[in-house]
Amino acid sequence: QKEVEQNSGPLSVPEGAIASLNCTYSDRGSQSFFWYRQYSGKSPELIMSIYSNGDKEDGRFTAQLNKASQYVSLLIRDSQPSDSATYLCAVNPLSGSARQLTFGSGTQLTVLP
Amino acid sequence: GAVVSQHPSWVICKSGTSVKIECRSLDFQATTMFWYRQFPKQSLMLMATSNEGSKATYEQGVEKDKFLINHASLTLSTLTVTSAHPEDSSFYICSARWRDRGNEQYFGPGTRLTVT
Repeated sequence: QKEVEQNSGPLSVPEGAIASLNCTYSDRGSQSFFWYRQYSGKSPELIMSIYSNGDKEDGRFTAQLNKASQYVSLLIRDSQPSDSATYLCAVNPLSGSARQLTFGSGTQLTVLP
Repeated sequence: GAVVSQHPSWVICKSGTSVKIECRSLDFQATTMFWYRQFPKQSLMLMATSNEGSKATYEQGVEKDKFLINHASLTLSTLTVTSAHPEDSSFYICSARWRDRGNEQYFGPGTRLTVT
């Protein structure tokens, strides 16, 4: 079992819709959770971090964390074509280095105009 | 805030030569920096973790004598690819952990290496 799992996609949504990206992790003691966006040919960009159960909103982005279910998600409201990218879920596992993140393989999102 | 730079952004070198890539945190101190490699349409692969003032920790399968890492200060880490071969051609990306922001990591723009 992979430590951090994401649906690889591709996920396609029409412009203006809500895109929902999901991620599960195996280390129950994980404390820190992050979402990165990576455009093709570019490096990842941090867009959200979440540390406690519940929702965290930042503009059109909402991160949701449920530690009991070992599940973290990212919602993108009013999706735009410019949101088309690969979204990486990253987790700081308890068992690993306190400084090292474990990344999922990413979900490719396409927003159709 | 949280800007990480990398230099060069791209480099072409001949087989057998060495290439040095610099990673700098411009507006924060990074006690820990990470080096990743990414092949086209593949996931990020962590190569090594670099702590300021100490030896880097390499991931399994990464040759430490081939990929030399130096973390000389709280804002600078370098990766030297020694005796480069065409199979070393890849996208090399560094990231820096902002000590005062928990485990948030910020990535540099990456260096595209082509070995001919």
